[in-house]
Amino acid sequence: HVQLQESGPGLVKPSETLSLTCAVSEDSISNFYWNWLRQSPGKGLEWIGYIHYSSTHYNPSLKSRVTISVDTSKNQFYLRLKSVTAADTAVYFCARVSEEGYCNKTGCTTRLTGFDYWGQGTLVTVSS
Amino acid sequence: EIVLTQSPGTLSLSPGERATLSCRASQTISRSFLAWYQQRPAQAPRLLIYAASSRAPGVPDRFSGSGSGTDFTLNISRLEPEDFSVYYCQQHDNSPWTFGQGTKVEIK
Repeated sequence: HVQLQESGPGLVKPSETLSLTCAVSEDSISNFYWNWLRQSPGKGLEWIGYIHYSSTHYNPSLKSRVTISVDTSKNQFYLRLKSVTAADTAVYFCARVSEEGYCNKTGCTTRLTGFDYWGQGTLVTVSS
Repeated sequence: EIVLTQSPGTLSLSPGERATLSCRASQTISRSFLAWYQQRPAQAPRLLIYAASSRAPGVPDRFSGSGSGTDFTLNISRLEPEDFSVYYCQQHDNSPWTFGQGTKVEIK
């Protein structure tokens, strides 16, 4: 059973950088898509981006401020969000997306399964 | 950006009743890229359905998904007490991946 655990400061000052870590109890963090998401009352659930092997993909609305990285030796991946404002106050989640093979009439391929494992979430408040 | 609109916003039902939740996309989505989640208070979302109709491991068979194109449905055949939660649909066909605003299933 895979476990993910977020950690990091619960309070960040406006204009500073939000930094979070997600520790993964997985034999190999190199597989799968490792994601960051957030949830706030005003904006609901929002996908921030993922890292897959060394390739990253970000939500265009946050792309200029976001960096997701991974340390495979520690089985951890990271979120950095710079120049934060009060609008970045949210519960931040890390989550995994898997890939599975499937076949239909036209042949066999792979598809993503959705966010199948989540961390418990960590509240980050942006305030001076 | 694909906008997912869920309806109704709140569904008031009794245990044992059937729940039907709707998710409408602002443009066509491949069936392979539509998922449903359950979220209980103070918990992370839980994957229920992926690829529109495939149940995630461990999900009871009272949960089923259907639909294609722009219209997708989550059905809960007989509500159990633990099913009264908020449900979200989500697409990963186009970037950015997006979620609906949620449907709350509450006890009548």
